[in-house]
Amino acid sequence: QKEVEQNSGPLSVPEGAIASLNCTYSDRVSQSFFWYRQYSGKSPELIMSIYSNGDKEDGRFTAQLNKASQYVSLLIRDSQPSDSATYLCAVNNLGYNKLIFGAGTRLAVHP
Amino acid sequence: DAGVTQSPTHLIKTRGQQVTLRCSPKSGHDTVSWYQQALGQGPQFIFQYYEEEERQRGNFPDRFSGHQFPNYSSELNVNALLLGDSALYLCASSFTGSGWEQYFGPGTRLTVT
Repeated sequence: QKEVEQNSGPLSVPEGAIASLNCTYSDRVSQSFFWYRQYSGKSPELIMSIYSNGDKEDGRFTAQLNKASQYVSLLIRDSQPSDSATYLCAVNNLGYNKLIFGAGTRLAVHP
Repeated sequence: DAGVTQSPTHLIKTRGQQVTLRCSPKSGHDTVSWYQQALGQGPQFIFQYYEEEERQRGNFPDRFSGHQFPNYSSELNVNALLLGDSALYLCASSFTGSGWEQYFGPGTRLTVT
């Protein structure tokens, strides 16, 4: 079992729709959770961090965390073609400094 | 406010050679982590430096080594290059105690022929 799992996609959504990206992790002691966006040929860009159960909203992005189910998700509202990228889920254990990444989900937003 | 910078952008080396990659962290950050990203994969943690010492290491052989300087900049060295070392090498900086948010530089694309 991989430590962080994501559906590789591609996830295809029409412009203006809600894109829902999911991530599961195996280590119950994981404490910090991050979503990165990576455009083709570029480096990952941090878009959301979440540390406690529930929802965290930032503009069109909402991160959701459920530690009991070991599940993290990212919702992108009013999806735009410029949101087309690979979204990487990353997990960190406090006191254990490395980020563990999933392989990423490729999102395609079509006009 | 300057972000994380890395040099060089691209590098082509031959098997068996050695390479040094460089990273300057974001202003105010004191911790540097290095990651290797193969095509189609998520970044894999190599090691992390804080206060000029290696604080954590991933599952990479001793051919991978690093250094952090007093100004917090860092180097990644890879000896005896293999074809499988071809990847995007990413440096990420963070501030200890900030919630572990790590910010990536643009990366160095290493090709080993």
